[in-house]
Amino acid sequence: KAGVTQTPRYLIKTRGQQVTLSCSPISGHRSVSWYQQTPGQGLQFLFEYFSETQRNKGNFPGRFSGRQFSNSRSEMNVSTLELGDSALYLCASSFDREDEKLFFGSGTQLSVL
Amino acid sequence: AQKITQTQPGMFVQEKEAVTLDCTYDTSDPSYGLFWYKQPSSGEMIFLIYQGSYDQQNATEGRYSLNFQKARKSANLVISASQLGDSAMYFCAMREVSPPGGSYIPTFGRGTSLIVHP
Repeated sequence: KAGVTQTPRYLIKTRGQQVTLSCSPISGHRSVSWYQQTPGQGLQFLFEYFSETQRNKGNFPGRFSGRQFSNSRSEMNVSTLELGDSALYLCASSFDREDEKLFFGSGTQLSVL
Repeated sequence: AQKITQTQPGMFVQEKEAVTLDCTYDTSDPSYGLFWYKQPSSGEMIFLIYQGSYDQQNATEGRYSLNFQKARKSANLVISASQLGDSAMYFCAMREVSPPGGSYIPTFGRGTSLIVHP
């Protein structure tokens, strides 16, 4: 069974640009969540999606948005990039929202110059 | 206030020895879950072990065990017989099962970097 796939693995953007990150969950998993990881703030929750509906949102500005498709694949978008958006963005999936175990992808390393 | 506290930024252990990584948590929810994840340099977070707040026995998964002391609100990870491949960041996390709004989102600690020496 393939694991959680995140693309691209690395991204370099400049301030003001926008970026879209993709996450393909494990086949059959319906819940997808996104996290931002930085050395200063650690792991911070961004969004949770289940059955194409956003169920929870973390404390991030409106420049951060996301969606989930009918096949459970998810994308997140960051508009008007700032230097502080440089981070490792991790996606996690589980079959159901209450599942004890989250399966993470390897992340997308975003650098904003 | 921090819900998950990992006081050891870095730990060193000799190969084949046991090591304990500390984690304390704060919650008023009677029903919660505690997790440990490993993050090697590749970036992927790997699930290690889970302990429910109502579980009577400490969780074990192979070389990993969780020393759960509910009254002290601690959930330390014990790795027995350390291997070189255990060198990684280790994160403790907690999920409150029945908060307002039904959130199942875990809160992560800041992590402990473990280095295993040959």
